[in-house]
Amino acid sequence: GAGVSQSPRYKVAKRGQDVALRCDPISGHVSLFWYQQALGQGPEFLTYFQNEAQLDKSGLPSDRFFAERPEGSVSTLKIQRTQQEDSAVYLCASSTQDRGRNEQFFGPGTRLTVL
Amino acid sequence: GENVEQHPSTLSVQEGDSAVIKCTYSDSASNYFPWYKQELGKGPQLIIDIRSNVGEKKDQRIAVTLNKTAKHFSLHITETQPEDSAVYFCAASETSYDKVIFGPGTSLSVIP
Repeated sequence: GAGVSQSPRYKVAKRGQDVALRCDPISGHVSLFWYQQALGQGPEFLTYFQNEAQLDKSGLPSDRFFAERPEGSVSTLKIQRTQQEDSAVYLCASSTQDRGRNEQFFGPGTRLTVL
Repeated sequence: GENVEQHPSTLSVQEGDSAVIKCTYSDSASNYFPWYKQELGKGPQLIIDIRSNVGEKKDQRIAVTLNKTAKHFSLHITETQPEDSAVYFCAASETSYDKVIFGPGTSLSVIP
């Protein structure tokens, strides 16, 4: 069984460039979360989808960050006009809504470096 | 909002000894407390969790305790092995369906 996959695994961007990070959740998982993990720190919540609906985007740090999940499966996190402080690992997690079996399964992350 | 603190930030133990990591949280609405292990280059992996209606839970060499009154919870690993070396995160959430608030992490090194 495939887990959560993310691509690319590594991304280097020049300051000011736009980037798009992809997350393929586990098949059938209703919930999808994005987290940002700075070096040496714990992951921080960015946004949450239930199917295609973005129910919580309170963690997005600025309006340069945008996430979508148009068909309720694959999700894309887009960062416009990247800044050096955007350098981090971006983690995606998915989970079911089943009672008692709804742990979040994390992907390996995309390491973004903004030069 | 919720704030999770964790200590120590680094922990080094001899193989076979026990390791203890302690956390505190601030929001009394939190009822779900997962613990994650993160190895280099990988995403966090759930190793054990505890809900607020339970004070202690054990799974083989790993045990967690929760004191909801004091807003404290802790992870105990017994008979540590080199493969236990990783970064461990405590976390809190209102329910197991919600976003997770992570602590800053503890880097555990088990010395053979």
